[in-house]
Amino acid sequence: EVHLLESGGGSVQPGGSLRLSCAASKFTFSSSAMSWVRQAPGKGLEWVSGSSASGGGTYYADSVKGRFTISRDNSKNTLYLQMNSLRAEDTAVYYCAREGGYSEYFQHWGQGTLVTVSS
Amino acid sequence: DIQMTQSPSTLSASVGDRVTITCRASQSISSLLAWYQQKPGKAPKLLIYKASSLESGVPSRFSGSGSGTEFTLTISSLQPDDFATYYCQQYNSYSLTFGGGTKVEIK
Repeated sequence: EVHLLESGGGSVQPGGSLRLSCAASKFTFSSSAMSWVRQAPGKGLEWVSGSSASGGGTYYADSVKGRFTISRDNSKNTLYLQMNSLRAEDTAVYYCAREGGYSEYFQHWGQGTLVTVSS
Repeated sequence: DIQMTQSPSTLSASVGDRVTITCRASQSISSLLAWYQQKPGKAPKLLIYKASSLESGVPSRFSGSGSGTEFTLTISSLQPDDFATYYCQQYNSYSLTFGGGTKVEIK
């Protein structure tokens, strides 16, 4: 069964940085496009960033463009999200998600990791 | 960006009811729409992709329809396990966008 395990969440002050990781197992990670999706407390889902299977294609929501960087290490089956210049509005549970087939819907999700940005 | 609008935002229903949730896109997205179910404290779960394709393992009481800008998710006979929040998502173009969600509550 596909397994995605996020880590790296925590509390950080505004302007700070954090790096999230997503360890993948039980599927061919290097053939799978991946994304990060977040959910602010009590709010809906927001796509944050996506990566093609090779990592050569990366995509970002306008709300994080220039501040967040998605990357992956296919040799370690791990997806990353480097988050810089964090703001209070970045507070959310961040989910790692595997895209389905060759389309950008999310077939498998991790359990999420909470990021809190507060002074 | 393509805006996705779900209605209603909250729905009260009883076990056995037929439930329909609507999702509208601000421009045509062909059939590139997915539906998810989310329960409190849990990750979303894929129900439907490509507007009407049922994900493996999802009960057949769930169905999706529509194309272009208007889509529906139907639960033919609501079960106790179905009380949750449902989201639509377009994947026609980046940025990928979700609807605001529909919470299905017990009447």
